[in-house]
Amino acid sequence: EAGVAQSPRYKIIEKRQSVAFWCNPISGHATLYWYQQILGQGPKLLIQFQNNGVVDDSQLPKDRFSAERLKGVDSTLKIQPAKLEDSAVYLCASSTHWANDEKLFFGSGTQLSVL
Amino acid sequence: AQSVAQPEDQVNVAEGNPLTVKCTYSVSGNPYLFWYVQYPNRGLQFLLKYITGDNLVKGSYGFEAEFNKSQTSFHLKKPSALVSDSALYFCAVNNQGGKLIFGQGTELSVKP
Repeated sequence: EAGVAQSPRYKIIEKRQSVAFWCNPISGHATLYWYQQILGQGPKLLIQFQNNGVVDDSQLPKDRFSAERLKGVDSTLKIQPAKLEDSAVYLCASSTHWANDEKLFFGSGTQLSVL
Repeated sequence: AQSVAQPEDQVNVAEGNPLTVKCTYSVSGNPYLFWYVQYPNRGLQFLLKYITGDNLVKGSYGFEAEFNKSQTSFHLKKPSALVSDSALYFCAVNNQGGKLIFGQGTELSVKP
């Protein structure tokens, strides 16, 4: 089966610019996650969707980050305006449903560099 | 609040030797514990999980992990390391809240 698709693979922008990332989860997966992975750290959950509804966005910096999941399938994550500390790999993951014992399938990520 | 710690930033092992990557956790209630592996320029891949039952869990690529409730640990092990096992390994914990929390990762280097 096809995996989680993410684009672009790399992005370089200047601070205060805006950027958007796209994710297409595995077909049929109801739950979609966006994680931020800063170099040398483990992934940190930014937002979690169940179908097209937000389950958890408690760690999303809502003054600059936004995310949506169109029709419960694809998702976009946007940063506007970007700061230097936003430099990280942004990982999208999906799972069949939302459960404590559910394993996640990750995409390859988008590496963002903010100059 | 739940948390997970991986005390070693890097583990070096000779090929053919056993390996252990350590993980300790803190969570209220029963933990759901996971190990993921990340190869260079790739996303994380699921290795194994502990939910309940037998304390020794077997996973992909010959890896296993031992759950120890009294020591709140979930160490990843493999009897004989391969050079291809070299990667970044993440321990993660999930409690009743449904949020997966990752450790900071341990870089495993297996030398021929």
